[in-house]
Amino acid sequence: SQTIHQWPATLVQPVGSPLSLECTVEGTSNPNLYWYRQAAGRGLQLLFYSVGIGQISSEVPQNLSASRPQDRQFILSSKKLLLSDSGFYLCAWSMAEPQHFGDGTRLSIL
Amino acid sequence: AQSVTQPDIHITVSEGASLELRCNYSYGATPYLFWYVQSPGQGLQLLLKYFSGDTLVQGIKGFEAEFKRSQSSFNLRKPSVHWSDAAEYFCAVVSGAGSYQLTFGKGTKLSVIP
Repeated sequence: SQTIHQWPATLVQPVGSPLSLECTVEGTSNPNLYWYRQAAGRGLQLLFYSVGIGQISSEVPQNLSASRPQDRQFILSSKKLLLSDSGFYLCAWSMAEPQHFGDGTRLSIL
Repeated sequence: AQSVTQPDIHITVSEGASLELRCNYSYGATPYLFWYVQSPGQGLQLLLKYFSGDTLVQGIKGFEAEFKRSQSSFNLRKPSVHWSDAAEYFCAVVSGAGSYQLTFGKGTKLSVIP
């Protein structure tokens, strides 16, 4: 069966520091991969999705970026974090529908 | 663009009572519809989905949902709520095959009184 892993589970970072969140999927090949952000009271916002290695689509302009260096690995990065980057970040995968979610990373910016 | 509205931000029910969470969507054609549940600090778990066919769909944990095209609704129901159902519930829509945009409602938080 397929599983999705996200790490770290929680992260506290100072403003202006870099960020790297990692997501990996097991048990499937060439999945679609997604990064969402969940901010308090604002629901889930799709940030990036990828349909293959090196293929990244951005939904929202921001200081975040995503990369897919391997088929089942999806990385969310930032060179300099802002206070507004705080939130709960969720990775998801799908082969068609539906999307299946990881357990998320709680990011707090100080 | 498609949108999803969950009009109830917070609902409180007694354990054993019935539950209905409302979801309305905006999309021209037949959408793909989903309900997810999120426990505090956790990811989202799929409860059920509707693609086509029978408009009443059964999901996990005793939940069901009914697609009503005339009302653009996809309400989630459960006949008897358990304390473990306390969580946040999200309705979501994908605008058909080939689209990668999963649009979520803002969620309904469910509290259960023992």
